[in-house]
Amino acid sequence: AQKITQTQPGMFVQEKEAVTLDCTYDTSDPSYGLFWYKQPSSGEMIFLIYQGSYDQQNATEGRYSLNFQKARKSANLVISASQLGDSAMYFCAMREGRGNAGNMLTFGGGTRLMVKP
Amino acid sequence: DTGVSQDPRHKITKRGQNVTFRCDPISEHNRLYWYRQTLGQGPEFLTYFQNEAQLEKSRLLSDRFSAERPKGSFSTLEIQRTEQGDSAMYLCASSFWQGGGELFFGEGSRLTVL
Repeated sequence: AQKITQTQPGMFVQEKEAVTLDCTYDTSDPSYGLFWYKQPSSGEMIFLIYQGSYDQQNATEGRYSLNFQKARKSANLVISASQLGDSAMYFCAMREGRGNAGNMLTFGGGTRLMVKP
Repeated sequence: DTGVSQDPRHKITKRGQNVTFRCDPISEHNRLYWYRQTLGQGPEFLTYFQNEAQLEKSRLLSDRFSAERPKGSFSTLEIQRTEQGDSAMYLCASSFWQGGGELFFGEGSRLTVL
């Protein structure tokens, strides 16, 4: 079974609007971390936001927020006020176990976001 | 620049040749990772070092692949007898052992095997 599923291969959003990128995960480990990365056409993976499985509040970083629904095993990324520079591939990833046991991440297949002017 | 650096950025080789990629992590990070990314896919884990010890290897890492981190600083990934299926982006990342564990990635080394 896929550990990380991103069901939206491509998304369009109008500049200045908000957009939600979906991510569901599968793990039986009670301790895990969820990450979102942005990959522009240059190829570098840029860390955006992190949510720990025991965190009580949804993570936020500037225009990025993570809608964490633990019971549904979903960790959707919300980008507010989209900008043209947000056009990129977005990857959801999971680390199973505690961070001090190794930080190997499993990535989803990605969603390509295109921001329209 | 104090980020993760990878060299070379692009490599074109003929099938059967050996290639080596180098990764210099962020200096304070003791963990180093190699990932492979094929076109249109997410990165796939290959191997992981803590200091100079190679602690995890994926089944994707066939016996033609070898990775080293001899002094716990930079790392090399060598592919022997390259095959066309090895064509991919090879990504290196580093991290602290504490905290959330986010990985900091380099810009990758793109391999094309003809």
